[in-house]
Amino acid sequence: KAGVTQTPRYLIKTRGQQVTLSCSPISGHRSVSWYQQTPGQGLQFLFEYFSETQRNKGNFPGRFSGRQFSNSRSEMNVSTLELGDSALYLCASSPGPLETQYFGPGTRLLVL
Amino acid sequence: GQQLNQSPQSMFIQEGEDVSMNCTSSSIFNTWLWYKQDPGEGPVLLIALYKAGELTSNGRLTAQFGITRKDSFLNISASIPSDVGIYFCAGQRAGGTSYGKLTFGQGTILTVHP
Repeated sequence: KAGVTQTPRYLIKTRGQQVTLSCSPISGHRSVSWYQQTPGQGLQFLFEYFSETQRNKGNFPGRFSGRQFSNSRSEMNVSTLELGDSALYLCASSPGPLETQYFGPGTRLLVL
Repeated sequence: GQQLNQSPQSMFIQEGEDVSMNCTSSSIFNTWLWYKQDPGEGPVLLIALYKAGELTSNGRLTAQFGITRKDSFLNISASIPSDVGIYFCAGQRAGGTSYGKLTFGQGTILTVHP
């Protein structure tokens, strides 16, 4: 089976812009979780989607949002980018919300 | 945000040596996972543990789910240069507030000298 794929792999934006990141889960996996990884805060949970519904959300501002499509693919959006949003954004998929997660390669976002 | 207490933060070892790292928490987890991350890549699952007291091996790797459900350890035997990377522990609780949510340790940076 193909693994989790994320696009794009690298992105450079400027403050105030918005960005959309995409994640395709492993075939058959219906749960998609998103994480932010920074040197200072480590890996932090953003949100989780299952059957096109956000089932759980981490402690991030409303500028961070997401959605899931009927084929389980997911997107996350960050509006009004800040310098502190520079990070590696990781997507993970699992068959269900409480099952083992498998990560994609991540999208490296740099905000200038 | 909350993180697991993972130690050591870094290790410098000689090829062929054994490695041990652990994670502790003040609260209970239902699942413990160990991942390895190479620079610029996403974490790769090494071992998943689902039951208190469980001891599981994957090649040279062995991990255990603590009987209190508040800790886990990972051992790597006879280390080789490709073991270099950052190792993360992660825990997941049961229940709706834990849907899709892993809590991570700070990571152990492993360097192996040939």
